[in-house]
Amino acid sequence: NAGVMQNPRHLVRRRGQEARLRCSPMKGHSHVYWYRQLPEEGLKFMVYLQKENIIDESGMPKERFSAEFPKEGPSILRIQQVVRGDSAAYFCASSPDASPLHFGNGTRLTVT
Amino acid sequence: GENVEQHPSTLSVQEGDSAVIKCTYSDSASNYFPWYKQELGKRPQLIIDIRSNVGEKKDQRIAVTLNKTAKHFSLHITETQPEDSAVYFCAASTRGSQGNLIFGKGTKLSVKP
Repeated sequence: NAGVMQNPRHLVRRRGQEARLRCSPMKGHSHVYWYRQLPEEGLKFMVYLQKENIIDESGMPKERFSAEFPKEGPSILRIQQVVRGDSAAYFCASSPDASPLHFGNGTRLTVT
Repeated sequence: GENVEQHPSTLSVQEGDSAVIKCTYSDSASNYFPWYKQELGKRPQLIIDIRSNVGEKKDQRIAVTLNKTAKHFSLHITETQPEDSAVYFCAASTRGSQGNLIFGKGTKLSVKP
């Protein structure tokens, strides 16, 4: 059973471009969470999704950020018009239900 | 909202010694407390967790204790080994393991051979 798969591992974008981060949860897991980690910091919750539903987006910035988890395919975290402050590691985690989270290897976004 | 404080931020021990990392939380409704280990450039990995109906849990060299009255919980690593060197994060949630986790800022543990 493959773990949580995230791609790309590294993403470089210029200011103003769009960044799309993908997360395929572990097989059988229908709950997906996105977290952001700044250098030397802990992880900060962004959004919690189940298939086709956003359950909790209280940690997501109101502008430029969006997330989806369609019926088919991976979960996508989209950042529009990126700025330097968006540079961070973005981790996705999944769980089958009320079970502990399993994290992916993350996408390291660098905005130049 | 919930706030999790973690201490110390760095910890250096000799191989074979014990290491203790402490966290406090603010929301008395928190009921789930996991600990994650993160090696440089890698994903956080769950090493142990505890729920609010339990005071202590142990798994080989790792143990976690929870004091609900004082709202703090601690990670204890005994007989430390160089491969224990990593950043350790505590976290808390008010919705069990199905809910967003509030993380501490991490403790960088160095185990010297």
